[in-house]
Amino acid sequence: GENVEQHPSTLSVQEGDSAVIKCTYSDSASNYFPWYKQELGKGPQLIIDIRSNVGEKKDQRIAVTLNKTAKHFSLHITETQPEDSAVYFCAASSLGAGSYQLTFGKGTKLSVIP
Amino acid sequence: NAGVTQTPKFRILKIGQSMTLQCAQDMNHNYMYWYRQDPGMGLKLIYYSVGAGITDKGEVPNGYNVSRSTTEDFPLRLELAAPSQTSVYFCATQGLAGESEQFFGPGTRLTVL
Repeated sequence: GENVEQHPSTLSVQEGDSAVIKCTYSDSASNYFPWYKQELGKGPQLIIDIRSNVGEKKDQRIAVTLNKTAKHFSLHITETQPEDSAVYFCAASSLGAGSYQLTFGKGTKLSVIP
Repeated sequence: NAGVTQTPKFRILKIGQSMTLQCAQDMNHNYMYWYRQDPGMGLKLIYYSVGAGITDKGEVPNGYNVSRSTTEDFPLRLELAAPSQTSVYFCATQGLAGESEQFFGPGTRLTVL
C-alpha cells in the first residue's frame, strides 16, 4: 500500500517569513495530493490540492509543487501570519470507484511567532 | 446546513464495553469515511462507503463495524473496546464521484480504560 512520509514534524517561523513542508510517497499510481490544515480541537480542512497532471498550483499565499519522478510534493506558505499556526497534513491517493482513500503523513505542527 | 456532525464529542469506555459513534451529514454526499487519529500520527482510514448499502474496509478495520442504511448516516460500531482503540475518530464525506474534497466532522475523542 501507499506510504507517505512528511517532514519536518515541527516548524517555527517568524511572522512574515515563508514555511515549507515536504512529503514523499511510495505508490507511483497515486495521482491526487491534498493538504489539510487542522486547528486545535477541530477536524482537518482542505486548503489546497494538486493532481498528477499538474506540477504546481497556487492559491494566494499557499502553493503546492509536485515532482512525480521523485515522488515528492511540497507545501509553501508565504508571508506567514499567526492564524497560519496549526497542524498540516499531506496525503496521497489514487481514485478508485469514485472515492479517494487517502493515506496521510504524520503531520507538521507549524508555529508562527508574532 | 450543519455539514458533518458527530456524536458524542467525548466518551470514556471500560475495556470490553461496546458503543456506536454517530456520524450524520446533510450535504447529500454519497461517499463517507471513518478515520482514527492517534497522538502525533496522521489519520488512518477505518471504513468507507460509496453509497447507501455499500461499505468497505480501509487500512485499520479490525475491531470496528459500520453500516450505511441511509445516505445521511454512517455509524461506527466498536465491539469489545480495547485500550488500543483510544483515539480521536473523524467522519468525513465526499461529494460526487471524482470530486476530491473531503469534509470532516469535529471528531469524537474516545478513551478506553
